[in-house]
Amino acid sequence: AQSVTQLDSHVSVSEGTPVLLRCNYSSSYSPSLFWYVQHPNKGLQLLLKYTSAATLVKGINGFEAEFKKSETSFHLTKPSAHMSDAAEYFCVVSDLRGGADGLTFGKGTHLIIQP
Amino acid sequence: KAGVTQTPRYLIKTRGQQVTLSCSPISGHRSVSWYQQTPGQGLQFLFEYFSETQRNKGNFPGRFSGRQFSNSRSEMNVSTLELGDSALYLCASKQGEAGELFFGEGSRLTVL
Repeated sequence: AQSVTQLDSHVSVSEGTPVLLRCNYSSSYSPSLFWYVQHPNKGLQLLLKYTSAATLVKGINGFEAEFKKSETSFHLTKPSAHMSDAAEYFCVVSDLRGGADGLTFGKGTHLIIQP
Repeated sequence: KAGVTQTPRYLIKTRGQQVTLSCSPISGHRSVSWYQQTPGQGLQFLFEYFSETQRNKGNFPGRFSGRQFSNSRSEMNVSTLELGDSALYLCASKQGEAGELFFGEGSRLTVL
């Protein structure tokens, strides 16, 4: 069985300051891990994915995440927040098969950017 | 390359009615998955279709059904609508087994 926990339902940062969105997972297999972003009334867009290559993964729009097996974490970071980053972020874990049935979504973290 | 297209984007139904939602995947993608998104339950997997066959199914009642056509377009149907079916229904397609999921913008269903 696999699960994913996003530790914060809401995160508020000021524009230009760093962003940290936290995600912990559990998986019986070697997991694939993803971060998706959802802007209001839009579908989900892939930010980045980890599939057992480099533990530090770089994504779009300046986001990156580090896979830490010892801590079962996959936190999402960005050095400097932009107003356009305001959105809902989902951490997703997949078992070895990677199929849609093997995907487990976190509850989401709502990122608020203060001007 | 066109993205995943879902129609209609918004619809309002009353309890007891039925609804059909449509999803056109990215060209060349043979797998189509459906998700229900609500504020309380988050994103929940409904089912996945691959080459016209339902490959996986989530934990939803039989009122929720779907199908996939030979051109990979997919439809999902919800019969005997309940208030709790109000949600954003998202469709996603992917190319291979471990491929990235590409999501449509969703169909927002309101049941009155």
